[in-house]
Amino acid sequence: GENVEQHPSTLSVQEGDSAVIKCTYSDSASNYFPWYKQELGKRPQLIIDIRSNVGEKKDQRIAVTLNKTAKHFSLHITETQPEDSAVYFCAASRGGYQKVTFGTGTKLQVIP
Amino acid sequence: DTAVSQTPKYLVTQMGNDKSIKCEQNLGHDTMYWYKQDSKKFLKIMFSYNNKELIINETVPNRFSPKSPDKAHLNLHINSLELGDSAVYFCASSPSADNSPLHFGNGTRLTVT
Repeated sequence: GENVEQHPSTLSVQEGDSAVIKCTYSDSASNYFPWYKQELGKRPQLIIDIRSNVGEKKDQRIAVTLNKTAKHFSLHITETQPEDSAVYFCAASRGGYQKVTFGTGTKLQVIP
Repeated sequence: DTAVSQTPKYLVTQMGNDKSIKCEQNLGHDTMYWYKQDSKKFLKIMFSYNNKELIINETVPNRFSPKSPDKAHLNLHINSLELGDSAVYFCASSPSADNSPLHFGNGTRLTVT
C-alpha cells in the first residue's frame, strides 16, 4: 500500500519568513496530492491540492510543487503570519476508490 | 449551515459500553468516511461509503460497525469499548470517491475510562 512520509514533524519560523514542508510517497500510481491544515481543536481543512499532470500550483501565499520522478511534493508558505500556526498534513491517493493516505503531520509555529 | 455535522462532540464512557456517533452531510456528496485521529495526531481512515455502499474497510476491529442509511448519513457504532479506542473520530465527505477533496466534520472526542 501507499506510504507517505512527512518532514519535519515540527517547524518554528519567525513571522514573515517562509516555511517549507516536504513529503515523499511510495506508490508511483498516486496522482492526487492534497494538503490539509488543522488548527488546534479544529477539523482538518483543505488548503491546496495538486494533481500529477501539474508540477506546481499557487494560491496567494501558498504553493505546492510535485516531482513525480522523485516521488516527492512540498508545501511552501511565504510571508508567514501567526494565523498560519497549525498542523499541516500532506496526503496522496491513486484515485479509483482507493483511500487517501495521510502523512504524519507537521506542527508549524509562527513566532510574532 | 454546517456542511458535515457529527454528534456528539464529546463522548465520555466506561470500558465495555456500547456507543454510537452520528454524521450527516448536506453537501450532496456521494462519498462519506470515518477517520480516527489518535493522540499523536495521526489521521487514519477506518471506513468509506459511496452511495451507501461500503468501499473501504481498513483493518478495524469488528467492534466497529458503520451504517449508511442513505448517502447523506454515515453512523458509527462501537461495541465493547476499550481504553485504546480513545481518540477523536472525524466524519468526512467528498463529491466522489475518486480523488476529490475531503470535507471534515468537527470531530467527536471519545474518552474511554
